[in-house]
Amino acid sequence: EAGVTQFPSHSVIEKGQTVTLRCDPISGHDNLYWYRRVMGKEIKFLLHFVKESKQDESGMPNNRFLAERTGGTYSTLKVQPAELEDSGVYFCASSQERSVEQYFGPGTRLTVT
Amino acid sequence: RKEVEQDPGPFNVPEGATVAFNCTYSNSASQSFFWYRQDCRKEPKLLMSVYSSGNEDGRFTAQLNRASQYISLLIRDSKLSDSATYLCVALDGGYQKVTFGIGTKLQVIP
Repeated sequence: EAGVTQFPSHSVIEKGQTVTLRCDPISGHDNLYWYRRVMGKEIKFLLHFVKESKQDESGMPNNRFLAERTGGTYSTLKVQPAELEDSGVYFCASSQERSVEQYFGPGTRLTVT
Repeated sequence: RKEVEQDPGPFNVPEGATVAFNCTYSNSASQSFFWYRQDCRKEPKLLMSVYSSGNEDGRFTAQLNRASQYISLLIRDSKLSDSATYLCVALDGGYQKVTFGIGTKLQVIP
């Protein structure tokens, strides 16, 4: 069974540019989560989808971040415009309905210069 | 105060040693707890869930003390392959929001 996949694995952009990260959860997993790890800090929760609905987006840093999950399958996380402090590793995770076990993707390493 | 506190280490132990990691959490509403393992530049992977009754999986034993808001992980007979960062994770029961600790780095030395 395929795991959680994320694209791209690395992205280097300049401040002010736009970047879109993609996450494909494990097939059949209704729950999809985005997290971010800034160097030297804990992995931080960004938001949680249940199917196509945002269940909790309390961790989103500001309105430069927009997450979507149209159709309840894959999700995208857009950062526009990117700032230097947005650099970090963005992880996506998914879980089955009513399961607490989350499976993580390999992450996207974002560098804003 | 951080919601989930861990000693970042590193813990350097010889092969075959027993090592214990501790973690405290501040949110009394946290319902479920886990230990994840993260290898360098890789994604976190679930190691084991943590229950009040304690649970054991081979050389690994996890324990939860709700009264003290304290979680532990014990690794017996350490192997070189156990070298990794161990993340303590708390899950709140409402929206399933996950809170991670900073992680404890373990280096097992030959």
